[in-house]
Amino acid sequence: NAGVTQTPKFQVLKTGQSMTLQCAQDMNHEYMSWYRQDPGMGLRLIHYSVGAGITDQGEVPNGYNVSRSTTEDFPLRLLSAAPSQTSVYFCASSPPLGGNVNYGYTFGSGTRLTVV
Amino acid sequence: AQSVTQLGSHVSVSEGALVLLRCNYSSSVPPYLFWYVQYPNQGLQLLLKYTSAATLVKGINGFEAEFKKSETSFHLTKPSAHMSDAAEYFCAVSALEYGNKLVFGAGTILRVKS
Repeated sequence: NAGVTQTPKFQVLKTGQSMTLQCAQDMNHEYMSWYRQDPGMGLRLIHYSVGAGITDQGEVPNGYNVSRSTTEDFPLRLLSAAPSQTSVYFCASSPPLGGNVNYGYTFGSGTRLTVV
Repeated sequence: AQSVTQLGSHVSVSEGALVLLRCNYSSSVPPYLFWYVQYPNQGLQLLLKYTSAATLVKGINGFEAEFKKSETSFHLTKPSAHMSDAAEYFCAVSALEYGNKLVFGAGTILRVKS
């Protein structure tokens, strides 16, 4: 049971380049989320999904796109990278709320992105 | 909307001393509350969670937290700090009414002095 797998672990981009951060989970979780972590700001929600085909914006969605074609995968696309997107990105998944004792997000190990 | 405030961006304790990390939340509906720990250059690990059952929640590594609705608080404690507890700790809130989004506080870095 691998949990939540993020690739790549490190990436350097030039301003204006695009790329996709991959996230896959093997726990059959319905809920998946993307966060960015910046010093002193905690984790801020970029996009989230409550199931295949359903996505919504979080707190800081500008410059990022997501799609959820399968339960397992939730890729995050940077359309045109900017230095302000230099950050550590975390993907997380969870079973749904509503009396589920196993509720709680499991996090991947993160992708450290630098935009120059 | 929901929000979390963690009082103190840095907390320093001596080894063997009480650890107290403060978390206050804001939510217009009954919340689910969490504490996560992050060791350097690692992902987040769930310490404990409150899901409307017992108000005193015990987690891993000897940590516990108490949900106090009247104070809108969910402070994290450990009776005796260990050097291995040095890490960053995040409090987070979620609710079904808010689409199950997990909202984090800014984090508290715990330093343990020998």
